[in-house]
Amino acid sequence: SQTIHQWPATLVQPVGSPLSLECTVEGTSNPNLYWYRQAAGRGLQLLFYSVGIGQISSEVPQNLSASRPQDRQFILSSKKLLLSDSGFYLCAWGTIRAFFGQGTRLTVV
Amino acid sequence: SQQGEEDPQALSIQEGENATMNCSYKTSINNLQWYRQNSGRGLVHLILIRSNEREKHSGRLRVTLDTSKKSSSLLITASRAADTASYFCATDYRYTGTASKLTFGTGTRLQVTL
Repeated sequence: SQTIHQWPATLVQPVGSPLSLECTVEGTSNPNLYWYRQAAGRGLQLLFYSVGIGQISSEVPQNLSASRPQDRQFILSSKKLLLSDSGFYLCAWGTIRAFFGQGTRLTVV
Repeated sequence: SQQGEEDPQALSIQEGENATMNCSYKTSINNLQWYRQNSGRGLVHLILIRSNEREKHSGRLRVTLDTSKKSSSLLITASRAADTASYFCATDYRYTGTASKLTFGTGTRLQVTL
């Protein structure tokens, strides 16, 4: 069966520090992969999606970037975090239905 | 963006009662989905209804879709305390290629009390 792993679960980072969140999927090949961000008490905002290795589409211009170095690996990065980057980050895979990881709570201080 | 809006934003009911949540969206869709999120966790898929369907059932869940009004409703019957969570609708329209862009609403926070 397919599983999705996302880590870390929580992260506290100072302003200006770099960020790397990793997501991996098992049990499927060539999945569509997604990064979402959820502000407190709000809906999900699609940040990036990828249909294949090295193919990244950005939905919202921002301080973040994404990469897909391997078929089932999706990485969310930032060179310098801003306070506004705080939030709950969710990785997902799927073609029609979305299967979500457990999320990373990022607090930028 | 093609974002759904759920109504109400928050709902508090007693165990055994029914809970109804509504979702409105803006443009044509391929399908509409409902997801559930327990506090601080990832989302879990509940049910999908295609644009050519009007009603769908899954256990205690009943979803309706009215494409003329661009709206959907989720009914949870005989609610339980374990149903306490946030519920999101998500609409899907397909880009070129195989990627589906799921656009989520702002969610309804359901509280079921004993």
